[in-house]
Amino acid sequence: DIQMTQSPSSLSASVGDRVTITCRASQGISNYLAWFQQKPGKAPKSLIYGVSNLQSGVPSKFSGGRSGTDFTLTISSLQPEDFATYYCQQYNSYPITFGQGTRLEIK
Amino acid sequence: EVLLAESGGGLVQLGGSLRLSCAASGFSISNYWMTWVRQAPGRGLEWVANIKQDGSEKHYVDSVKGRFTVSRDNAKNSLYLQMNSLRAGDTAVYYCARLWNGGEIDYWGQGTLVTVSS
Repeated sequence: DIQMTQSPSSLSASVGDRVTITCRASQGISNYLAWFQQKPGKAPKSLIYGVSNLQSGVPSKFSGGRSGTDFTLTISSLQPEDFATYYCQQYNSYPITFGQGTRLEIK
Repeated sequence: EVLLAESGGGLVQLGGSLRLSCAASGFSISNYWMTWVRQAPGRGLEWVANIKQDGSEKHYVDSVKGRFTVSRDNAKNSLYLQMNSLRAGDTAVYYCARLWNGGEIDYWGQGTLVTVSS
């Protein structure tokens, strides 16, 4: 199985900051990498697919990137509504696997 | 508007069965792979199963193989998850979601809670 390891597990930041979350795949996953946002008590929301493609309606403050087997989610100019938990997911091969999540908190 | 609405969750005894449903609206599920993802209380997301447009191909996470069955009724625009031999570890919110293009999730339902109790 492909393990997806997110770092950090939690992150404190201030409104207006720019933050980056990293996800490392234990094997090659081509470009089959997605990011999701989840707020407490709510369903996840799809943000990015194919490493860097924004889902419809997702603001451009969210961006995805890649360096080898490391994938990044960058959020610029943090707003109060951005504080949530973020998950990466590989859908290159079965079983599909998620990272353990990164909790983004207000400093 | 694309909407997915899960139902059928509840409290079930260890070893019992439950059938979850996911009613889709705003699109025809016949054109899409569909998926189930679950989330145990206070834990992360875990993929459970995928099913192809015509139901001819299904995939499961190892922990549910032989116990869970994903199915669909395209005429009713609905997705199902039959869960048998339920374990405490199956306690979770279960989400259905739509897959498109290369297998990406684009839309999620609101989830339904399954609690397995001894």
